Amino acid sequence: GQNIDQPTEMTATEGAIVQINCTYQTSGFNGLFWYQQHAGEAPTFLSYNVLDGLEEKGRFSSFLSRSKGYSYLLLKELQMKDSASYLCAVPNSGGYQKVTFGTGTKLQVIP
Amino acid sequence: GAVVSQHPSWVICKSGTSVKIECRSLDFQATTMFWYRQFPKQSLMLMATSNEGSKATYEQGVEKDKFLINHASLTLSTLTVTSAHPEDSSFYICSARAGGPEAFFGQGTRLTVV
Repeated sequence: GQNIDQPTEMTATEGAIVQINCTYQTSGFNGLFWYQQHAGEAPTFLSYNVLDGLEEKGRFSSFLSRSKGYSYLLLKELQMKDSASYLCAVPNSGGYQKVTFGTGTKLQVIP
Repeated sequence: GAVVSQHPSWVICKSGTSVKIECRSLDFQATTMFWYRQFPKQSLMLMATSNEGSKATYEQGVEKDKFLINHASLTLSTLTVTSAHPEDSSFYICSARAGGPEAFFGQGTRLTVV
């Protein structure tokens, strides 16, 4: 099965950089997703990593190490609107048909 | 990106009644859609996989007779919560894939059973 672990809450200052970590265990690796979810809203897709390394997409970057079962989401130049929960998710073995989500990291950006 | 539309956004119903939630893929066809439930301060929990033209696949612990899923076309899946009770109050979200690995989510439905 899948097991995902990420911090419950984080606080960071506007304009700063924050790194949200995720460790996972899965029987068959099919990539790792990061989603952003604002309170009361549905998740929105941020990134998908299937190979080791860092992928940058604007202010957001995502890193993956398959050998360590580890990923992080890096948010630069934090804005107040970045206050949200960030969900780490991995597909179950066999493809993308089922995805297990972590409990999410609630990020609060303060002035 | 692809658009998934979910309705209603919120609904309040009396205990014992049924509620239907619709999930539509607006600009792509989805042979498979997924229904999740999210309780406050918890993550998304997969309830069932909705398959066009066939029966849904339910996750362990989810009552198929209580949560009826119908996927009658390639763009529409419905979830009906039958005989709703206060403990069914939750945030229900559908998702679908448009050919790639990422899932696109509907807006979610906030169900409150009183």
